[in-house]
Amino acid sequence: GAVVSQHPSRVICKSGTSVKIECRSLDFQATTMFWYRQFPKQSLMLMATSNEGSKATYEQGVEKDKFLINHASLTLSTLTVTSAHPEDSSFYICSATGRPGDTQYFGPGTRLTVL
Amino acid sequence: KNQVEQSPQSLIILEGKNCTLQCNYTVSPFSNLRWYKQDTGRGPVSLTIMTFSENTKSNGRYTATLDADTKQSSLHITASQLSDSASYICVVPGGGADGLTFGKGTHLIIQP
Repeated sequence: GAVVSQHPSRVICKSGTSVKIECRSLDFQATTMFWYRQFPKQSLMLMATSNEGSKATYEQGVEKDKFLINHASLTLSTLTVTSAHPEDSSFYICSATGRPGDTQYFGPGTRLTVL
Repeated sequence: KNQVEQSPQSLIILEGKNCTLQCNYTVSPFSNLRWYKQDTGRGPVSLTIMTFSENTKSNGRYTATLDADTKQSSLHITASQLSDSASYICVVPGGGADGLTFGKGTHLIIQP
């Protein structure tokens, strides 16, 4: 099956700093990537939809100026958590699909801890 | 409103025993239903994808069933192993910007 990677797998940062998370589709071109956030024992919550070459579409309640998403190529999307605070600590997961409606492939996730 | 409900919320069984997880959905129109396994601290990994016409599909010790009439699916795990400890998530395409409706998952713990 298709492979999606994320980097880093875990990151610890100080409050007020910015953190960038990368999501890569390794063996296919992803026209669309999705970013999710997952709190302990909760389901995945969609944060935003990222289409290559265009601005991301954010879900209601997700601050676009805080969670910057860039999808500059068909194999890479980045999520930057700006001015991170402890409440941003969570598990961030990306997924990628080749075409709308196709199967989504999930990345392994990034554990963010903000001190 | 599209919904996917899973039961039980959590389950503890002894190694070697079998178990069955349930998923009820109200997503319409229906195209397929997916079961994912999510290990702690990892992303979801696909176990099975079942289309409307499929009643049963197996993947090793995992067997998924689908009843499109009653809108129910089950995931049966045979001869459980410690490595089966994980969350099992039922996902049905439909609804949401990502085109998916997620269940909250069943947290399965296998005890030695």
